Amino acid sequence: NAGVTQTPKFRVLKTGQSMTLLCAQDMNHEYMYWYRQDPGMGLRLIHYSVGEGTTAKGEVPDGYNVSRLKKQNFLLGLESAAPSQTSVYFCASTPGTGYNNEQFFGPGTRLTVL
Amino acid sequence: SQQGEEDPQALSIQEGENATMNCSYKTSINNLQWYRQNSGRGLVHLILIRSNEREKHSGRLRVTLDTSKKSSSLLITASRAADTASYFCARYRDGNKLVFGAGTILRVKS
Repeated sequence: NAGVTQTPKFRVLKTGQSMTLLCAQDMNHEYMYWYRQDPGMGLRLIHYSVGEGTTAKGEVPDGYNVSRLKKQNFLLGLESAAPSQTSVYFCASTPGTGYNNEQFFGPGTRLTVL
Repeated sequence: SQQGEEDPQALSIQEGENATMNCSYKTSINNLQWYRQNSGRGLVHLILIRSNEREKHSGRLRVTLDTSKKSSSLLITASRAADTASYFCARYRDGNKLVFGAGTILRVKS
């Protein structure tokens, strides 16, 4: 099993450009999450999904959109990138609800917006 | 905003020494989790301690939880250079959202 994979690993954008980050998991997990990590900070939740066809806002959703058309994939979109969105983005998944669930993380996407 | 805060922010020790990291939180919890992040990599789950547990062990890891003080500690015994990483505590909020602290950067010198 590959676990959680993210595409691409690195990307440089110019202000105003758009892009989509892809997260895929092969563990049949119901829940998927997108986080951003900035220097000296922990992870902050952008959006999450509790199942195919569902999405919900997290702590810092502005400037991002998401879609979960297939259970195994969770896409994060930036419609008009801004320098403030320079960050490392992590995707994670977990089997389902419940306070005892650990999250499984992808390797991250390092995004720079010039 | 972060719901858990780790201290110290950074810790540097010699190989073989023990490393202790602390986590404080503000509201009640069902459980608390600890994760490790090696440089440039994703987070990896280390251990989970439930609110009715006071101590839990996993290999060289020992986690304690004091719900009256709203704090937890992670002890790594006999540290190795490979333990060099950032360590985060995290807890679920609102059922679905895992909230992370800012982390402790541990450096183990060989």
